Amino acid sequence: DGGITQSPKYLFRKEGQNVTLSCEQNLNHDAMYWYRQDPGQGLRLIYYSQIVNDFQKGDIAEGYSVSREKKESFPLTVTSAQKNPTAFYLCASSIGALTSTDTQYFGPGTRLTVL
Amino acid sequence: AQKITQTQPGMFVQEKEAVTLDCTYDTSDPSYGLFWYKQPSSGEMIFLIYQGSYDQQNATEGRYSLNFQKARKSANLVISASQLGDSAMYFCAMREGWGGGFKTIFGAGTRLFVKA
Repeated sequence: DGGITQSPKYLFRKEGQNVTLSCEQNLNHDAMYWYRQDPGQGLRLIYYSQIVNDFQKGDIAEGYSVSREKKESFPLTVTSAQKNPTAFYLCASSIGALTSTDTQYFGPGTRLTVL
Repeated sequence: AQKITQTQPGMFVQEKEAVTLDCTYDTSDPSYGLFWYKQPSSGEMIFLIYQGSYDQQNATEGRYSLNFQKARKSANLVISASQLGDSAMYFCAMREGWGGGFKTIFGAGTRLFVKA
């Protein structure tokens, strides 16, 4: 089955710790994205990557870091510099066409709670 | 100004009836795409339907149709014959040109409750 997987589903972190959220896709998509969703709100873009070994900051990149060493994988690290990391994190991928038609498909999400 | 506006925080509909979820957008880009996603309580965002700015006809996908009124900059989602499983959050999104590339912007969402 083709799709996007995220792990873990739930993650608990102590203040001051870095944590890494996993995102893997087998859709052969070039582009991948990380979004943050807070209760009752829409999605905000953290980072995106159009191609392997390249990524760009989104609207709320501070306190986060990413890597894109493989086409299939786009892990997100939430660092201790992120002031309010408790949120629902969604990973997405798309073909990566530089057109208005490029559709993003999402993984099941990771719910991060800082204790 | 908000790029994507969903004015209905919550909507109720009786099972088997149709419901319209509102979405208005703001862009000066002549080429843009409009998307609707469904987010059940499990959290995953499910792609429902797409409408391109140059498409002459309204998009349809099964029980979902998009009422595209370009002059009014609205892209309302119509769900026909509502089912209990349609209860979820619904997000409208727009993909437009930005910084030499493209960017997708999401609205705040509308929570739909389907009553038996």
